[in-house]
Order: sequence, then C-alpha cells, then structure tokens
Amino acid sequence: QKEVEQNSGPLSVPEGAIASLNCTYSDRVSQSFFWYRQYSGKSPELIMSIYSNGDKEDGRFTAQLNKASQYVSLLIRDSQPSDSATYLCAVTTTGNQFYFGTGTSLTVIP
Amino acid sequence: DTAVSQTPKYLVTQMGNDKSIKCEQNLGHDTMYWYKQDSKKFLKIMFSYNNKELIINETVPNRFSPKSPDKAHLNLHINSLELGDSAVYFCASSSRRGPADPPMYTQYFGPGTRLTVL
Repeated sequence: QKEVEQNSGPLSVPEGAIASLNCTYSDRVSQSFFWYRQYSGKSPELIMSIYSNGDKEDGRFTAQLNKASQYVSLLIRDSQPSDSATYLCAVTTTGNQFYFGTGTSLTVIP
Repeated sequence: DTAVSQTPKYLVTQMGNDKSIKCEQNLGHDTMYWYKQDSKKFLKIMFSYNNKELIINETVPNRFSPKSPDKAHLNLHINSLELGDSAVYFCASSSRRGPADPPMYTQYFGPGTRLTVL
C-alpha cells in the first residue's frame, strides 16, 4: 500500500483560530490529492481536491500542495466547533486507486 | 437522492458464518470500491472494480470476494467470518472528471456497514 502519513493528533484549536493539518506521501508519481472530513459514525465526505502545486481556496478551507516536498496541507480559517472531526488525506497515483492516511482528529474548542 | 447506498447498516453475526453486504450507486460512475475502516480509523482499500478490471489489495484474505452484477452494483461476500473482520465497511464510487491529464477523479462514499463478529 502506498504510504500516506498524517499526524494522528488530536489537534485542538480555539474557536476562530486557524487549524493546520498536514500530510506527506511517499510515491513521487502521486497525481491527485484530496481532503476528506469524517464525523464520528459517519462516512468520509470530500471537502477539497487539489491537482497542481500551490494553493486552492474554497470558503474557509485552503489546500496547499508541494509536489517537490511530497507534502499537502489543509488550512481551516475561522475554525468552528462544527469543524471538529477526523480529517483524512488521500492521494491517487496513476489510475483511480485512492490511498488514505490514518487521519487527524481535530477538536475546535468553543 | 442517495448517491451511494449500502445495506445493511449494521450486521451482527457469529464467527464462521458467511455474509454479504450490498452496494449501489446511482451516479453513473465507472469504478466502485470497498474499504475497511478499523477501530483506529485507518481506511484501507480492499478492492476496486470497473467493467474492465478488478484490482485486489494483496493483503485481503481470499475469504472476501466482490461480486458485480452490473455497473451500478458491487456487493461484498465474506466467507467464514473471523473476529478480526469486525470493522466498518465502506463502499465508494468514482468517475473521471473531464479529459485533463493527469486525470482528475471524484470519489464518494456510502454510509458504511458496521460488521460485528461475535
């Protein structure tokens, strides 16, 4: 299995702060990168995808990709208690095989 | 409208039994998957399947077998269930978005089936 690594956390941030989630991957030919959010007892939900180096913003979420460093991150601005969940990083190489990290548990403290 | 659905939502059974989990997607996607998520939340791919190719994770015991009656369905059969099979099993589907190179895929998950083997 391709290696995708995340800090397991738990990561705690106060409400309104920026939460920073990190992910590294081992396969240099990885092409597509995703962030999923998973609430307890629920299925993973796609929140961001990024395919090119640089930043991609969507509302309060920003994904950052650095292929040279094999690193992808997710920033959540103005964190809300409803953002408390496990965040899963996923990558694909050639084709449509998805490989997931172990997830980072985020708690936003009101 | 439910995009990816699974049945049953919960499955409790005895060790040694054979069971099946059903999955259906109405997204028109061409690839479907089965994942196993253990108690530590690690999401491990078990199978991916489209109408051309079945890709099996080599670590999956051959007691697990996918069955696809058509493009919209991918069922999971498990023979001789063991205690270690207890987990949440997720079905997912994906499709390529546009002609971009490298290709871009979007994947959606079903609600999951919590399997408990006693």
